[in-house]
Amino acid sequence: SQQGEEDPQALSIQEGENATMNCSYKTSINNLQWYRQNSGRGLVHLILIRSNEREKHSGRLRVTLDTSKKSSSLLITASRAADTASYFCATSRIQGAQKLVFGQGTRLTINP
Amino acid sequence: SQTIHQWPATLVQPVGSPLSLECTVEGTSNPNLYWYRQAAGRGLQLLFYSVGIGQISSEVPQNLSASRPQDRQFILSSKKLLLSDSGFYLCAWRPRETGGRETQYFGPGTRLLVL
Repeated sequence: SQQGEEDPQALSIQEGENATMNCSYKTSINNLQWYRQNSGRGLVHLILIRSNEREKHSGRLRVTLDTSKKSSSLLITASRAADTASYFCATSRIQGAQKLVFGQGTRLTINP
Repeated sequence: SQTIHQWPATLVQPVGSPLSLECTVEGTSNPNLYWYRQAAGRGLQLLFYSVGIGQISSEVPQNLSASRPQDRQFILSSKKLLLSDSGFYLCAWRPRETGGRETQYFGPGTRLLVL
């Protein structure tokens, strides 16, 4: 079955630096989404990129999608301490669009 | 606006005891509803989803069951808890018609510890 995988599993950077997280998946998708989870909380949707899009921006977030490589990246620019959280990619498959398949996540720590 | 509630927030239960976790959604009709489990430091595992009252799809064989007695109510149950049922349980919803977005909206979660 399809499994999204993020790398790195953990990332620690200094405040103000950029953070890049990657996600790979295995089957054809409708779209790919990124979610954020603060410790012990529910997930919050950040951004969605459709399969026919290559790049998308939202504030300090930039997402790219390469369907030929079945991969995506999430870039957070000018990081802040408040960006400390886990970040998950999730894919909506062409077959079975009722469900999302989540990756294992990247734990991001921003050091002040 | 839409709101999703889960309770309880935290639960400590002995092995072999029953379980009932409840999730309700306000401000929308006919949502798709989802139950996920998250082990510590890991991703989300989809347990069940529902596209309508009484319609439950199970993703993995396990010790748990789900029910949807009302349009905006989703219940996760077990007759006898196992140690391996410990985890963080998340409920989510999304609109039935998504216009191709399929974005899900999550509740605050229930942390279950089985001892």
